[in-house]
Amino acid sequence: NAGVMQNPRHLVRRRGQEARLRCSPVKGHSHVYWYRQLPEEGLKFMVYLQKENIIDESGMPKERFSAEFPKEGPSILRIQQVVRGDSAAYFCASSPKTGGDTEAFFGQGTRLTVV
Amino acid sequence: GENVGLHLPTLSVQEGDNSIINCAYSNSASDYFIWYKQESGKGPQFIIDIRSNMDKRQGQRVTVLLNKTVKHLSLQIAATQPGDSAVYFCAENPRDSSYKLIFGSGTRLLVRP
Repeated sequence: NAGVMQNPRHLVRRRGQEARLRCSPVKGHSHVYWYRQLPEEGLKFMVYLQKENIIDESGMPKERFSAEFPKEGPSILRIQQVVRGDSAAYFCASSPKTGGDTEAFFGQGTRLTVV
Repeated sequence: GENVGLHLPTLSVQEGDNSIINCAYSNSASDYFIWYKQESGKGPQFIIDIRSNMDKRQGQRVTVLLNKTVKHLSLQIAATQPGDSAVYFCAENPRDSSYKLIFGSGTRLLVRP
C-alpha cells in the first residue's frame, strides 16, 4: 500500500532553468494538493487539483508556476525560469475525497535548490 | 533538515516527562483541526485531529485540547520518547475552503535522554 510518492527527492537547478516536480497520489485518491515549505516555516497551500481540473490555485504565484493532474499519470508542479527564492521543499498530499475531517496524506517532498 | 533552525520555538523535555505543545489558530470559522509531526527531511505525518464540536480528544499517548473561546489548540504527549523529537505543526481547515489546510509556524520538540 504505497503512500504518496514524490520525485525527485532533491532537485538542483540553475537560475533560469525549469523545475518539474512529480507526485503520484495514493492509489484511488483523486484529489491532490501542493504545498510549499520555506525553512523554519509551516507549509503554505499552493494548489488543489482533481483529475484534469484545477479547483483552487489561489496560493500559487501567477507567473512561472503551473500545475496539472492528467487523467493518466502523476500530478506535475512546473516552475519555469526558476529564481533563488523558489528554493524550498514542495510537498504533495492526496485524499480520497474532500471536505472537513478528510485526512490528507503527505509525500516526503521534493527539496528544490536554485543555484 | 530544513525544519531544524534557530527561529522555531523549541520545547526541550526529559525522556519520560509529558510534553505540551501549544498553537493559536487564526480563523474562528475553522471547524476541523489537525496536529502533524514532521521529522527532519520528511513530510508531515498525521498525529491526531479534532472537530470544533469537541473540546478534547485522546489517542495513544496523545491528547488534543481545543479552546474555541481563545482560538487555542494544544497537543499533549504522555511519557515523551526520543522518537517524538520532531517539529510539530497544528493545521486548521476553514469551513469555507474545507480542502485547504492552514498550517501554524511549528514547534520543535527535543527529547533529552
